[in-house]
Amino acid sequence: KAGVTQTPRYLIKTRGQQVTLSCSPISGHRSVSWYQQTPGQGLQFLFEYFSETQRNKGNFPGRFSGRQFSNSRSEMNVSTLELGDSALYLCATSSGAGDTQYFGPGTRLTVL
Amino acid sequence: GESVGLHLPTLSVQEGDNSIINCAYSNSASDYFIWYKQESGKGPQFIIDIRSNMDKRQGQRVTVLLNKTVKHLSLQIAATQPGDSAVYFCAENRGNNAGNMLTFGGGTRLMVKP
Repeated sequence: KAGVTQTPRYLIKTRGQQVTLSCSPISGHRSVSWYQQTPGQGLQFLFEYFSETQRNKGNFPGRFSGRQFSNSRSEMNVSTLELGDSALYLCATSSGAGDTQYFGPGTRLTVL
Repeated sequence: GESVGLHLPTLSVQEGDNSIINCAYSNSASDYFIWYKQESGKGPQFIIDIRSNMDKRQGQRVTVLLNKTVKHLSLQIAATQPGDSAVYFCAENRGNNAGNMLTFGGGTRLMVKP
């Protein structure tokens, strides 16, 4: 069974731009969660989607948004990029609530 | 505030020795804990998990112990190998009754000396 896929793997953007990241879950997984990882703040939860609905949300500004499609693939969008948005963005998928979450390799975003 | 935290940022062990990585949590309502391993340039890799109705769970060369009395979690790695060198995170699933939301500790870097 293929693992979690994230595209692109690397991105370089400038301040003020917006970016869209994609996550394809393990086959059969309907829950997709997004996390931000930085050296200073560690791993922080952004949001979770299940059946195209946002089910949990972390403490991030509204510039961070996401969505999920009917095939469970998910995208997250960051608008008006700031330098502090530079991070590794990870998605994790599971079959349901309280089930093991498996992570993808992440998208490394650099904001200049 | 409530948190999931780690006692040691770096742990250095000799190859073949056992390793113990600790984690403290403060939310007494926590009921599901997970250990992940993250190697450089990769996403976190699931190692083992434990629910609050258990005190101990074993996997291949790994054991997780849960002490609910003192809100403490530990990961034991037997016969540590160079391939075990990585950062280890404990995490707690704090999602609502219908969801997932992992809260991570700061991580412990395990260094295995040959």
